[in-house]
Amino acid sequence: DTEVTQTPKHLVMGMTNKKSLKCEQHMGHRAMYWYKQKAKKPPELMFVYSYEKLSINESVPSRFSPECPNSSLLNLHLHALQPEDSALYLCASRELAGGNEQFFGPGTRLTVL
Amino acid sequence: GEDVEQSLFLSVREGDSSVINCTYTDSSSTYLYWYKQEPGAGLQLLTYIFSNMDMKQDQRLTVLLNKKDKHLSLRIADTQTGDSAIYFCAESSTGGFKTIFGAGTRLFVKA
Repeated sequence: DTEVTQTPKHLVMGMTNKKSLKCEQHMGHRAMYWYKQKAKKPPELMFVYSYEKLSINESVPSRFSPECPNSSLLNLHLHALQPEDSALYLCASRELAGGNEQFFGPGTRLTVL
Repeated sequence: GEDVEQSLFLSVREGDSSVINCTYTDSSSTYLYWYKQEPGAGLQLLTYIFSNMDMKQDQRLTVLLNKKDKHLSLRIADTQTGDSAIYFCAESSTGGFKTIFGAGTRLFVKA
C-alpha cells in the first residue's frame, strides 16, 4: 500500500460546528503532516508529527487541533472556524530514515459558511 | 531565509517539449523535488534529485540541476494535454522536517 488516504473528500460546515478531518497511511512512515492550500497557491505547512509527537506547529490558530492517535493515523479537529479557513487541506507522510520525499493525500476540500 | 521561485505560467503545443525553471536560495538544500497537481487533487511527486547530482532522467522527464547557480529545471518531452497541471518545485535539507515550495508553474498544453 503506497498511498495516503483522506476523508472526507469534501466538507461544508458552519462557523459553530465541530468536525474532524482524517488521514491514514500504511507505508510505515513515522512523520505525518497537515498543510493548508488556498487556490492557486503552494501548500502552507500547519503541523508536523514525528513518532506520533507534535514536532512543528506553524503558529496555527487553536481552532485547529491536530491529533496523532497512532503511527498510521492523523486527525485534524476543527471548531469555530472562519470563512477564510475554507481551503484544501492536505495530509502528507514521509519516512524518517532515507529519502525526504513526502507523499500527499488527495486532500479534503473544506468550505466554511 | 529560504526561498524557491518559479515562473507562474507556461504554454506549449502538444508534442513540443516543456521546460519549467526554478531557483532556490538555500545552499544547504539536499533534495530538490518536482510535484504535479491537477485541479482538485493532491500533490503527486513526479521526481526528485539529490544535490550531488547534475541530471536525472525518468521516461519523458529530465531534471537538470546547476548547484552553483541554484537553478533547477524540469523538461517534459512530447508534452501531452494530460500534462496540463500546476508544477511545484520544492527543496528540503537532510534531517529537516520542512519542505519549501515554490509558488507553482501552471502549464497549459494546447492541442
